[in-house]
Amino acid sequence: DTGVSQDPRHKITKRGQNVTFRCDPISEHNRLYWYRQTLGQGPEFLTYFQNEAQLEKSRLLSDRFSAERPKGSFSTLEIQRTEQGDSAMYLCASSRSGSGNTIYFGEGSWLTVV
Amino acid sequence: EDQVTQSPEALRLQEGESSSLNCSYTVSGLRGLFWYRQDPGKGPEFLFTLYSAGEEKEKERLKATLTKKESFLHITAPKPEDSATYLCAVQVKGGSEKLVFGKGMKLTVNP
Repeated sequence: DTGVSQDPRHKITKRGQNVTFRCDPISEHNRLYWYRQTLGQGPEFLTYFQNEAQLEKSRLLSDRFSAERPKGSFSTLEIQRTEQGDSAMYLCASSRSGSGNTIYFGEGSWLTVV
Repeated sequence: EDQVTQSPEALRLQEGESSSLNCSYTVSGLRGLFWYRQDPGKGPEFLFTLYSAGEEKEKERLKATLTKKESFLHITAPKPEDSATYLCAVQVKGGSEKLVFGKGMKLTVNP
């Protein structure tokens, strides 16, 4: 078990382009989360899945953001028409319900919008 | 609104100089308080979860404690490899699964 895996680790994109990040959770973890972190700040919650169902979304998740977890395994986070303010680290985390709420994070995907 | 405040924002210690980091929280009902360690450019690494006042957990040179209003992360005889940002987060009762994080505390341990 190699932990939560995120890809790509770094992405530089031009303003207005679309980007997609992938997250592979720890196997057998049915809960998956996306967070965003900017320099000097703690992570901010974006959205949460239990299996394939998206159960919670933050108001930070504007219409340009969409997340999916089609088969209850890996997840994707897509940002459409990127803006400079989207530059941040996007963190994926996973946990298993009933495991005492231990939530494990991946290494993050850095996004720079130029 | 649920809030988490960490202090100090940054701390410099000499190797072997013990200290404590504070995390105060204001929530409608605490489900769990989490401590993470984060190295530059990496994701948060899980350290502890505390659930009720009076609970304590230890891991190597770290010990976390919890009261009804705050949590402390005690670092005993730190080493340079303990240098990192330490994040505190709360999970609130009421159905939400999100963690609400503080801004973090950057610890530097000088040899």
